[in-house]
Amino acid sequence: GAVVSQHPSRVICKSGTSVKIECRSLDFQATTMFWYRQFPKQSLMLMATSNEGSKATYEQGVEKDKFLINHASLTLSTLTVTSAHPEDSSFYICSGSPTGGHTEAFFGQGTRLTVV
Amino acid sequence: DAKTTQPPSMDCAEGRAANLPCNHSTISGNEYVYWYRQIHSQGPQYIIHGLKNNETNEMASLIITEDRKSSTLILPHATLRDTAVYYCIVRVASSNTGKLIFGQGTTLQVKP
Repeated sequence: GAVVSQHPSRVICKSGTSVKIECRSLDFQATTMFWYRQFPKQSLMLMATSNEGSKATYEQGVEKDKFLINHASLTLSTLTVTSAHPEDSSFYICSGSPTGGHTEAFFGQGTRLTVV
Repeated sequence: DAKTTQPPSMDCAEGRAANLPCNHSTISGNEYVYWYRQIHSQGPQYIIHGLKNNETNEMASLIITEDRKSSTLILPHATLRDTAVYYCIVRVASSNTGKLIFGQGTTLQVKP
């Protein structure tokens, strides 16, 4: 299957700072990628749709000014958590799918963010 | 996308078949049944999907009832590494396939 890589896999940051998470499709191009958040013992929640060359689409309740998404190329989407607070501590996961012939999604390994 | 209902947890003995049920009584004619699993602290992994015929791949089998209102994922010989949360998702197959709405899934515990 296709490979999606996230970096970093784990990050600890101080409250008030910003953190950038990268999501790369290694062997396919993705015009659209997706960002999810998962709190402990809960399911994945879709945060936003990242669109190459245009603005991201955010799900209801997700602050677009706090979670900045940039999809500057067909193989890279980034999520920046700005002015992070402890309540932003979570597991962030991205996904994508090759166009043409694939109907399943491929997920990154996730990024564990801890804000102290 | 149609809503699904899964039991919150199941146990299975190592080496035995694990049968994970999913109810999707409001599924539409153009919606597929997808299964993903998430091993602890990892991203979800695609397992299998189907429309109305039973499907089998190297990981699992998917049995869909004739009325398509429910399905069963079968892991034929469960191992300890199959311990994970299994998600059943119904959706239209399209190019926008990364956008998935996850339910609570079934936590499968494979025991020695």
